[in-house]
Amino acid sequence: QLVQSGGGVVQPGGSLRLSCAASGFTFSSYTMHWVRQAPGKGLEWVAVIWYNGSQKYYADSVKGRFTISRDNSKNTLYLQMNSLTAEDTAVYFCARAYSSGTTPWFDPWGQGTLVTVSS
Amino acid sequence: QPVLTQPPSVSGAPGQRVTISCTGSSSNIGAGYDVHWYQQLPGTAPKLLISVYTNRPSGVPDRFSGSKSGTSASLTITGLQAEDEADYYCQSYDSSLSYVFGTGTKVTVL
Repeated sequence: QLVQSGGGVVQPGGSLRLSCAASGFTFSSYTMHWVRQAPGKGLEWVAVIWYNGSQKYYADSVKGRFTISRDNSKNTLYLQMNSLTAEDTAVYFCARAYSSGTTPWFDPWGQGTLVTVSS
Repeated sequence: QPVLTQPPSVSGAPGQRVTISCTGSSSNIGAGYDVHWYQQLPGTAPKLLISVYTNRPSGVPDRFSGSKSGTSASLTITGLQAEDEADYYCQSYDSSLSYVFGTGTKVTVL
């Protein structure tokens, strides 16, 4: 199970940190992702972090502004978002990655948290 | 950002069969990367429906099935039910080091 917290309304240029608390599985063994969905739009992958935090990758749209991190001792995933713009307004989901082939899938997903960037 | 193309909407009467296509390119599906499918009911998080083209997780009804052909994948719902009304997304990986989702398809049960 993944339970998210954080989110809310922030002014353009501001910062926000999202959290995702994991339970029911060995968090430190799994790669984790953030995915977002703008209002009325489709899903957009945001970032990934390896199980041990050794590698991180970002979508071009957030590179240099967002930072994904994790604390395996707390079973928690984070997304630090800086220099936010209106285009970052979306529901943000955390998700566990699982793979048996060439490409991981996402399961389960957190419940989602809304981030609204507005003055 | 690379994308996978899906029809915006499909519809069918209860009991009918509907198919959703997911068209990629040589840098994602055509490169051999797997395709997975998700169902998103209104106001909820996506839920894994099919993994690696054809595998249904426990609890997913067998009226949902997946297939692959070249640089495309398809999701078929056989025996459409009212509770299947939702948005459906395919997902894969692209050689540009990016995970990619389909554009999404809204399924309407008439």
